[in-house]
Amino acid sequence: DVKVTQSSRYLVKRTGEKVFLECVQDMDHENMFWYRQDPGLGLRLIYFSYDVKMKEKGDIPEGYSVSREKKERFSLILESASTNQTSMYLCASSPAGRTSEAANEKLFFGSGTQLSVL
Amino acid sequence: GQNIDQPTEMTATEGAIVQINCTYQTSGFNGLFWYQQHAGEAPTFLSYNVLDGLEEKGRFSSFLSRSKGYSYLLLKELQMKDSASYLCAPKSYGQNFVFGPGTRLSVLP
Repeated sequence: DVKVTQSSRYLVKRTGEKVFLECVQDMDHENMFWYRQDPGLGLRLIYFSYDVKMKEKGDIPEGYSVSREKKERFSLILESASTNQTSMYLCASSPAGRTSEAANEKLFFGSGTQLSVL
Repeated sequence: GQNIDQPTEMTATEGAIVQINCTYQTSGFNGLFWYQQHAGEAPTFLSYNVLDGLEEKGRFSSFLSRSKGYSYLLLKELQMKDSASYLCAPKSYGQNFVFGPGTRLSVLP
């Protein structure tokens, strides 16, 4: 089974702190994603990566950066945490879409990190 | 962009049948996914449709009409453990997933 592991289940940080959220997957997936999930807004894509050292902005990248130095690890960084970044953060991975069959691109999610910024 | 609409909340009784609808607008459609998410947990894959019609998988079925931009998830013989949020996610060629807001289903005894 695919396993996507997020380093922390709960985090409490203070405004202005630098925050690192780590995600590791063990299925050699090319694609990795960071989402945040807020009540009433659903899952929103922050950043994604289709390969090592590669990163692309998602729909809401402001205030975030990412790092993908190794294929299995995708880190989300909050340079200076703010209270509006209090949220559930979900990491996901998927294999590369090598065929036109989108079913092969299904996402596998980690358990999430509930971040509270005070 | 993609517009995805789902009911916010639904309530049903144990043993009943419930249908969760999803309408969407997208270009380059390449399939629609449904995910289940229990409170405080990660979303997990439920079903995938790319052709029109009904896909049945045990107690859960998913329907797609590409021409109408419409899908539904049908849950039969509801159990308490089916209380969860259900996320609709249409996929476009070469694009990332876009998730609907989710439908929170409460199953009552």
